[in-house]
Amino acid sequence: DQQVKQNSPSLSVQEGRISILNCDYTNSMFDYFLWYKKYPAEGPTFLISISSIKDKNEDGRFTVFLNKSAKHLSLHIVPSQPGDSAVYFCAASDPIQGAQKLVFGQGTRLTINP
Amino acid sequence: NAGVMQNPRHLVRRRGQEARLRCSPMKGHSHVYWYRQLPEEGLKFMVYLQKENIIDESGMPKERFSAEFPKEGPSILRIQQVVRGDSAAYFCASSPHEVLNTEAFFGQGTRLTVV
Repeated sequence: DQQVKQNSPSLSVQEGRISILNCDYTNSMFDYFLWYKKYPAEGPTFLISISSIKDKNEDGRFTVFLNKSAKHLSLHIVPSQPGDSAVYFCAASDPIQGAQKLVFGQGTRLTINP
Repeated sequence: NAGVMQNPRHLVRRRGQEARLRCSPMKGHSHVYWYRQLPEEGLKFMVYLQKENIIDESGMPKERFSAEFPKEGPSILRIQQVVRGDSAAYFCASSPHEVLNTEAFFGQGTRLTVV
């Protein structure tokens, strides 16, 4: 039962353009969403988050959008840079299961081409 | 200020052996979480510990797996009688509070290979 899904295993974007990574979820109890970035042989590093009471959160080149009715969130990176090439995971938590129990998607491998 | 330290980075075990994975949280962090990433999958929650206490082990397999976080020393994830299906990357995270959010940091992981 995959509660958080990232349906695109990979994405290739030209440097300077916008990268859009998508994530869908099924559990309507999720109230907090996070995006992590992961380089090979390293642990995930936190990128940006959004609470379910908001529909947008922006931090520099990164913006996360949340559409609760569609149970969909997306991460926009603009402009994309070569250092953004990594695997991106979206994750979610619900207050009933506990915020320590993040549910992760399968990840999307983003490649930024020069 | 060192980050979350996991060792070893790579561990090879034969089927039936024991694997011990260590995690030293960031200084000042008393909450530790273990996650497992199987090939081509996302991370899956295993266990949440505070000093000397297991708070939530709902993600741990019922047999062969155990975890501890003693008063002194690192947190240990122990896998007895390993099987090929245990091959995965095991990540530890720590935080100063009991929520895994923006204040939590992951270690670099231990990649376990069972041969």
